[in-house]
Amino acid sequence: NAGVTQTPKFRILKIGQSMTLQCAQDMNHNYMYWYRQDPGMGLKLIYYSVGAGITDKGEVPNGYNVSRSTTEDFPLRLELAAPSQTSVYFCASSYSLSNQPQHFGDGTRLSIL
Amino acid sequence: KNQVEQSPQSLIILEGKNCTLQCNYTVSPFSNLRWYKQDTGRGPVSLTIMTFSENTKSNGRYTATLDADTKQSSLHITASQLSDSASYICVVSAVYSSASKIIFGSGTRLSIRP
Repeated sequence: NAGVTQTPKFRILKIGQSMTLQCAQDMNHNYMYWYRQDPGMGLKLIYYSVGAGITDKGEVPNGYNVSRSTTEDFPLRLELAAPSQTSVYFCASSYSLSNQPQHFGDGTRLSIL
Repeated sequence: KNQVEQSPQSLIILEGKNCTLQCNYTVSPFSNLRWYKQDTGRGPVSLTIMTFSENTKSNGRYTATLDADTKQSSLHITASQLSDSASYICVVSAVYSSASKIIFGSGTRLSIRP
């Protein structure tokens, strides 16, 4: 099994550009998450989803949007890229919300110049 | 305020030696505590999960302990190997009636020297 797959692995954007970070999982998990990891900081939750068609804001949602049309896919959209969004973005999935581990992708490294 | 603090920030030890990483938390109401290993350039990988009633959980050479009274956890690595070089992240979850909150520590960066 591939687990959680994120694309692209690296991307450089200009200020004001938009892009979509892709995330797909093949474990039939209902729960999916988007995090950002800044240097020396813990992961911060951007958005999460408890199932297809259901999404909710996390700790740092401003400047991002998500959709969940299928169980497998959970794309993250940046509409107007800003330098503050330079970070490493991780997608994760889990079977349940509480006592099950989250499975992470290998991240997308995004630079906004 | 829900917080997870890890110490030390970084640690260097010789191959074959043991080490212990610390995690203190103020997350409430407590649901579970997880330790993840994050290799450079990779996503975190789960090592252990402990609920309120568990005070020890092992995964090979990794042993996690939890003291829910003092809100402290530790991760002990035995007979370290070069492949143990990574960041170790403590994650605490709080579960409310209709939501869940997951707080990540900033991690301890461990380097194993030959």
